[in-house]
Amino acid sequence: NFMLTQAHSVSGSPGKTVTISCTRSSGSIASTYVHWYQQRPGSSPRILIYEDKKRSPGVPDRFSGSIDRSSNSASLSISGLKTEDEADYYCQSYDGWNHWVFGGGTKLTVL
Amino acid sequence: EIQLVESGGGLVKPGGSLRLSCAASGFTFSSFNINWVRQAPGKGLEWVSSVGGGGGYIYYAESVKGRFSISRDNAKKSVYLQMHSLTAEDTGVYYCARGGDYPEAYFDFWGQGMLVTVSS
Repeated sequence: NFMLTQAHSVSGSPGKTVTISCTRSSGSIASTYVHWYQQRPGSSPRILIYEDKKRSPGVPDRFSGSIDRSSNSASLSISGLKTEDEADYYCQSYDGWNHWVFGGGTKLTVL
Repeated sequence: EIQLVESGGGLVKPGGSLRLSCAASGFTFSSFNINWVRQAPGKGLEWVSSVGGGGGYIYYAESVKGRFSISRDNAKKSVYLQMHSLTAEDTGVYYCARGGDYPEAYFDFWGQGMLVTVSS
């Protein structure tokens, strides 16, 4: 088993770019796909990025995903920040043992 | 339009039982696995359980194994989560979510969530 670790919070100004990281505790980040979800206050989660870097239909191209083998982490980048991007963001992956793991979530504040 | 609608939540005493339902519409139900994901108050997401499209594949998180039971009725396009021996740690919003193909499924559609409160 492994854990996915995310920073508790991140902030950015409108129009800027922020990056949210998700670090895998053991095993290679590249061995199973990473997916990203957005959860706005009071709402259900919504899939943003699946299979490391594919945007879900309807998701603006301001959102992009990537993985970095050197740091064993996945990243979600949001460019051209908007106030509507203020939300919690979660990474998720498959642990190889018929369990699905979420990161602890990162709260994005748009200042 | 794809919809997942949870029901059956509420207040239950510690040690009690509760059954959640998830009614689906707008897609070929039997072709997709369905998952339960929960969120404790002010906390993050936790995957709880999954059932394959045909009902033959069933998986549980260690935190609920032996206490929760997932099942589905494809004729009714519904999935159920039977929960026993509930504790305060089971309190939270329970979402049903449609999953992609095993094993590296992601959850592409979510219900609105159903609150379960375990308290005396």
